[in-house]
Amino acid sequence: SQKIEQNSEALNIQEGKTATLTCNYTNYSPAYLQWYRQDPGRGPVFLLLIRENEKEKRKERLKVTFDTTLKQSLFHITASQPADSATYLCALARTGGGNKLTFGTGTQLKVEL
Amino acid sequence: DADVTQTPRNRITKTGKRIMLECSQTKGHDRMYWYRQDPGLGLRLIYYSFDVKDINKGEISDGYSVSRQAQAKFSLSLESAIPNQTALYFCATSDPLRSTDTQYFGPGTRLTVL
Repeated sequence: SQKIEQNSEALNIQEGKTATLTCNYTNYSPAYLQWYRQDPGRGPVFLLLIRENEKEKRKERLKVTFDTTLKQSLFHITASQPADSATYLCALARTGGGNKLTFGTGTQLKVEL
Repeated sequence: DADVTQTPRNRITKTGKRIMLECSQTKGHDRMYWYRQDPGLGLRLIYYSFDVKDINKGEISDGYSVSRQAQAKFSLSLESAIPNQTALYFCATSDPLRSTDTQYFGPGTRLTVL
């Protein structure tokens, strides 16, 4: 069966360090993968998209990598700040899936002073 | 003003009651979606609509129905609510003309079925 896995345990890091979040998938042929941020009590907000033929995407302090051989995406936040504390969701759109997204369960990030 | 709005924001109801959750958007997007979010299960797709005349079931449509009244409005109904439908419900939109097909989410409706 198709699965998207994100680490369910919260990730605690110190301010200024780089946070790295993982998204693994099985039995998917992804067209692209997206990362969203979700704050408590609010809807997810889109951050970055990476296509299956791309290796890396950057936006300001954010970087996403995509390895279709390992079936894994890594999401990095450099120079992390307490304001980066949130839950981060990955979502995959399957090739031929009509752009419908399937979401992972999310990883909570806590950036401490 | 928010681009995607949901009403109500919170609702407590009893088993067996009919409930309607409403979603409106001012983004001009053709595509609209309804998701539910449960702890440990993430966001799951209930129904989606690619235009006013196109309604499709998602992965967990049993016990739910939808109505696309206009491009800007997409309602989700629980015909006879049951406790395991207690969850956070999100509406989302996307624009197929953009290559990224990014989804824009509303603020959510917290539904409790007693």
